[in-house]
Amino acid sequence: QVQLVESGGGLVKPGGSLRLSCAASGFTFSDYYMSWIRQAPGKGLEWVSYISSSGSTIYYADSVKGRFTISRDNAKNSLYLQMNSLRAEDTAVYYCARSRPRPAVWFDPWGQGTLVTVSS
Amino acid sequence: QSVLTQPPSVSAAPGQKVTISCSGSSSNIGNNYVSWYQQLPGTAPKLLIYENNKRPSGIPDRFSGSKSGTSATLGITGLQTGDEADYYCGTWDSSLSAHVVFGGGTKLTVL
Repeated sequence: QVQLVESGGGLVKPGGSLRLSCAASGFTFSDYYMSWIRQAPGKGLEWVSYISSSGSTIYYADSVKGRFTISRDNAKNSLYLQMNSLRAEDTAVYYCARSRPRPAVWFDPWGQGTLVTVSS
Repeated sequence: QSVLTQPPSVSAAPGQKVTISCSGSSSNIGNNYVSWYQQLPGTAPKLLIYENNKRPSGIPDRFSGSKSGTSATLGITGLQTGDEADYYCGTWDSSLSAHVVFGGGTKLTVL
């Protein structure tokens, strides 16, 4: 079955870096756009970034632009999020999700999420 | 404050029907497709509706979606206690900062 498994979350100090990974299985990874979406504790969903199937098209939320970098390795069926200059407000559960491109953007399925905590 | 506006909460009795609204603008809902997600407590979100009114395989027809102008609506009939969850709408926003936007979420309580 289609499955997404995130890893790499943890506790990091403000200004630090972290790299999240998402391992995909059960579908042809290279055929799909992929996204990162986060949810701060007790808050709603916030889209972070998405990348086209080939990696040639990338979008970022303004809140992470210039600090986060999304990438993928289709040979390894993996999606990544390099997070630099982390701030307290980046604390959240980060989900990866299989996506469709605009204008019909949707996310299905979602991984179980990985928690990133930015605190001194 | 979210770009898409949803009511913070709705409630209804088991067996009843409820609707959840999602209001946006011409740069998002008005010119793009809407999707809806259900997030049960402590779990990841799940796609309920895509492209305004289509249901993925496995989603019961008790769930329906519609769009008119710059607003969208999720309908749930035959409410069950297992439907208690947070519901989010989402779409693409074609403004200068092209990006995906979500509503703030609606907490459904089945009384």
